[in-house]
Amino acid sequence: AQSVTQPDIHITVSEGASLELRCNYSYGATPYLFWYVQSPGQGLQLLLKYFSGDTLVQGIKGFEAEFKRSQSSFNLRKPSVHWSDAAEYFCAVGNAGKSTFGDGTTLTVKP
Amino acid sequence: EAGVAQSPRYKIIEKRQSVAFWCNPISGHATLYWYQQILGQGPKLLIQFQNNGVVDDSQLPKDRFSAERLKGVDSTLKIQPAKLEDSAVYLCASSLSGSQQETQYFGPGTRLLVL
Repeated sequence: AQSVTQPDIHITVSEGASLELRCNYSYGATPYLFWYVQSPGQGLQLLLKYFSGDTLVQGIKGFEAEFKRSQSSFNLRKPSVHWSDAAEYFCAVGNAGKSTFGDGTTLTVKP
Repeated sequence: EAGVAQSPRYKIIEKRQSVAFWCNPISGHATLYWYQQILGQGPKLLIQFQNNGVVDDSQLPKDRFSAERLKGVDSTLKIQPAKLEDSAVYLCASSLSGSQQETQYFGPGTRLLVL
């Protein structure tokens, strides 16, 4: 069965600092991997996805993620965080059209 | 392009009462999903429709939850009777054909509180 672990429940960074959110997955074959962002009172919005090919994936809002098969990881990064990035971030692994989500990481941005 | 619409946005009921949620997916999207998101957790798939047929309802508590998508467009999710542990946000999402490569578009959700 597929599963996703996001080890950090809550992360606080200063505006302008770099960000890395961790995601570890468990899946037998090559996974489909996703990062979503959820702002308060909003639905989830897809930031980026990985299916195959280049292991460094670029997404919207200046985010990128790197797939590392040897570490079963798909960490999300952003070089310089903006106050508007404060939200909850979810990593997900997909199979046959069905996605399994991690429990999320809440990002707080300090001015 | 209009997004996924859900109503109501908020609902408060007492346990053992019934409640229904409505979802209208993006026009032309054949696949519709209902997720349950309990506070502090990620979304969990309850049911997936392809047009008006059920693709996956393995995690739907069928003794109290039901869902339908009769005309292959909008959908309703019902809980009868509700329990305290059903307090959650219920998210509806849609995609063009249900392929894993496709983006799922999420609605704003319905926040349910069961007292």
